Amino acid sequence: QQQVKQSPQSLIVQKGGISIINCAYENTAFDYFPWYQQFPGKGPALLIAIRPDVSEKKEGRFTISFNKSAKQFSLHIMDSQPGDSATYFCAATDTGTASKLTFGTGTRLQVTL
Amino acid sequence: DTGVSQNPRHKITKRGQNVTFRCDPISEHNRLYWYRQTLGQGPEFLTYFQNEAQLEKSRLLSDRFSAERPKGSFSTLEIQRTEQGDSAMYLCASSLGNLIWDTEAFFGQGTRLTVV
Repeated sequence: QQQVKQSPQSLIVQKGGISIINCAYENTAFDYFPWYQQFPGKGPALLIAIRPDVSEKKEGRFTISFNKSAKQFSLHIMDSQPGDSATYFCAATDTGTASKLTFGTGTRLQVTL
Repeated sequence: DTGVSQNPRHKITKRGQNVTFRCDPISEHNRLYWYRQTLGQGPEFLTYFQNEAQLEKSRLLSDRFSAERPKGSFSTLEIQRTEQGDSAMYLCASSLGNLIWDTEAFFGQGTRLTVV
């Protein structure tokens, strides 16, 4: 089964700091890489996504960096806020297979005051 | 609310009983997905529909599981003879797509199943 490996499992960052979560994939057919944010008791919500034709995408405080040759991508959260405390999942899919997402195992982020 | 709606939100059942969950996707979305999420893990794909056709099933979907989307609108996921290992959050997602492109998948809030 295709895998997406995610690290770290948990992360504690001070308010105003930078949170960095890393993912690596194996399937070279993957062509869409979203990040989801999940709060306790809620479903995952799309945060930001990237396709492999660009190396970086920024939306507000959230940036995805993508390294196609290394098959790695990462999420950077700038100026982390307590409201960012949640579990973050990277995912990947081959859009030719109808966006069947393969998720990483998740990173539990805690932003402290 | 025009998002993906799942019912019930929580279900506690005794081992061996049958349970059924419902998902109402975003109205114009033709694709509907079911995922299962266990504690501390990412969601795992179970099955998906394009309109009323069930096009793919994961090997995670044992023969005790059945999903339907009778008119290409809402979907049901039934688990027969539940086992304790079925305890998980069952997530539904929907998107709009064809062979060439697909929109992002929007997830519902999930149905948390506890088998006792």
